[in-house]
Amino acid sequence: QKEVEQNSGPLSVPEGAIASLNCTYSDRGSQSFFWYRQYSGKSPELIMFIYSNGDKEDGRFTAQLNKASQYVSLLIRDSQPSDSATYLCAVRDSNYQLIWGAGTKLIIKP
Amino acid sequence: DGGITQSPKYLFRKEGQNVTLSCEQNLNHDAMYWYRQDPGQGLRLIYYSQIVNDFQKGDIAEGYSVSREKKESFPLTVTSAQKNPTAFYLCASSAALTLGSPLHFGNGTRLTVT
Repeated sequence: QKEVEQNSGPLSVPEGAIASLNCTYSDRGSQSFFWYRQYSGKSPELIMFIYSNGDKEDGRFTAQLNKASQYVSLLIRDSQPSDSATYLCAVRDSNYQLIWGAGTKLIIKP
Repeated sequence: DGGITQSPKYLFRKEGQNVTLSCEQNLNHDAMYWYRQDPGQGLRLIYYSQIVNDFQKGDIAEGYSVSREKKESFPLTVTSAQKNPTAFYLCASSAALTLGSPLHFGNGTRLTVT
């Protein structure tokens, strides 16, 4: 059973600080990795995706991928109250199927 | 603007009735998906389709049915055989079933069965 694991949280971070969200996956053959943000009662929206080892930056967001250790993380710099949401990690495995984590609830405290 | 439209936003049904959820996309995407989300849980795949007139079961297909007669449309029927149908249903699409294609979601339909 292929799995994607996330700490359910809630993760509480002061406004202006860096929020760090982590995700581990079991299928070593996985090739692409996605981070989605989901506000309460809303549908998920894509934040960013990453394929290669290392860092990928987009504005205040940085995705980090380490295939050897089988983890992907999302850093949010200068956290804002509007960043409070559940963050879903999704991994496309070696069979092209998308495996979802259960999400981490992030709370940014003013 | 391109996007995915799900309707209705809220749906209420009595137990024992079949109900059909609508999903339409104008993104010209080949692949479409249906997910179910229960409170505090992640997304579970119900059905997906990579091409017109073809679809595959996901992890929790029992009690559900779909059709893909047009590229733009992928309706989901929740049948009376589904034991716990109350949930948030999400339709998504992607350009193709490739490694790099992200999913784009509709706004969801919240189904309540009593």
